[in-house]
Amino acid sequence: DGGITQSPKYLFRKEGQNVTLSCEQNLNHDAMYWYRQDPGQGLRLIYYSQIVNDFQKGDIAEGYSVSREKKESFPLTVTSAQKNPTAFYLCASSTTGGAEAFFGQGTRLTVV
Amino acid sequence: AQSVTQPDIHITVSEGASLELRCNYSYGATPYLFWYVQSPGQGLQLLLKYFSGDTLVQGIKGFEAEFKRSQSSFNLRKPSVHWSDAAEYFCAVALNTGFQKLVFGTGTRLLVSP
Repeated sequence: DGGITQSPKYLFRKEGQNVTLSCEQNLNHDAMYWYRQDPGQGLRLIYYSQIVNDFQKGDIAEGYSVSREKKESFPLTVTSAQKNPTAFYLCASSTTGGAEAFFGQGTRLTVV
Repeated sequence: AQSVTQPDIHITVSEGASLELRCNYSYGATPYLFWYVQSPGQGLQLLLKYFSGDTLVQGIKGFEAEFKRSQSSFNLRKPSVHWSDAAEYFCAVALNTGFQKLVFGTGTRLLVSP
């Protein structure tokens, strides 16, 4: 079945460590996105990519980095510069023709 | 900048009763409009979408939404709520450009009482 796979589902890290969240899709979508979800704040866009080897900052990119070396993969690195990294992270993908976005099941990151 | 407002943070509805969740957007043109549902600890599932045409849109799980241009609203409705509908609901808009970039509301948590 086609879909988006995020791993791991739960992730714990010590403060000051970088951590990478995985996102893989087999929907053949060109566009991929990372969102951060905090209670009461809805979803906020971190980074997005319309095509391989190209990506743009979203609304809250500080402290995060991404890469898009393959169409299927869009990993997100949460760096030590991110001041409040504990959150639920959602990856999504879509075609670039205005259709809906499809979401993964999310990764809950807890930094202690 | 475009924005989406969901004025109700929490709503409690009795099982079998009707439901309406409110969504208002602020944008110069008519954007693409979406409703998503999220169960606890899960990703988002698309309920329905509006791009153009008939302003009453049917979705999955018995949900529908009506686009009202004069009110900049896209309210979600269901005639009879089931206990399994308890979840968080997000309204979202996308720029009408062919590139998908969603702007989300802050969500409405639906509680269903017996």
